Amino acid sequence: GNSVTQMEGPVTLSEEAFLTINCTYTATGYPSLFWYVQYPGEGLQLLLKATKADDKGSNKGFEATYRKETTSFHLEKGSVQVSDSAVYFCALKGWGNQGGKLIFGQGTELSVKP
Amino acid sequence: KAGVTQTPRYLIKTRGQQVTLSCSPISGHRSVSWYQQTPGQGLQFLFEYFSETQRNKGNFPGRFSGRQFSNSRSEMNVSTLELGDSALYLCASSPGQVSSYNEQFFGPGTRLTVL
Repeated sequence: GNSVTQMEGPVTLSEEAFLTINCTYTATGYPSLFWYVQYPGEGLQLLLKATKADDKGSNKGFEATYRKETTSFHLEKGSVQVSDSAVYFCALKGWGNQGGKLIFGQGTELSVKP
Repeated sequence: KAGVTQTPRYLIKTRGQQVTLSCSPISGHRSVSWYQQTPGQGLQFLFEYFSETQRNKGNFPGRFSGRQFSNSRSEMNVSTLELGDSALYLCASSPGQVSSYNEQFFGPGTRLTVL
């Protein structure tokens, strides 16, 4: 079945450091890929998405490129801020009648120190 | 537009009781999905409704059920609560026809604690 694997956390960075959170997936057909962020005590917020191979999603300085050849969707940001501290989830939505179901990775906690 | 709202935000129940959680989607959205979030299992899909019909169901026991009303509001029910049902229950809505392209917008969740 479909699945998502993320790098384990927690990840601790200094402010202005470069961020990469690795995400790989297993899926049949043509899934859509998403990154969600969860701040303490809150629900999930969509950060960015990509719906086909080679698409690049971007938002608030974060980027991720849908790589079908490596089945990856790594999240990157050039310069993190303290306010980026949160848990980040990679997710996919399958094709056809699985389209309403998000499958999540285990989440990666990011802590940014001033 | 108002976001997805979930009520109540916090609940404390005891083992064996039942509980009903409510979700109001974003106005105009017709698809509602439910997820359970726990530290051990992470985020797991419970079920998905579109136009009052359950379209998809996750791998949860029959104690977990849900429904959707004609105004797209949704409820989920858990009967005979167990300690392991303690979790954050998240509702998400999507616009229009269910599709793999449509993003899901999440509510703040209902934190259920079973004692």
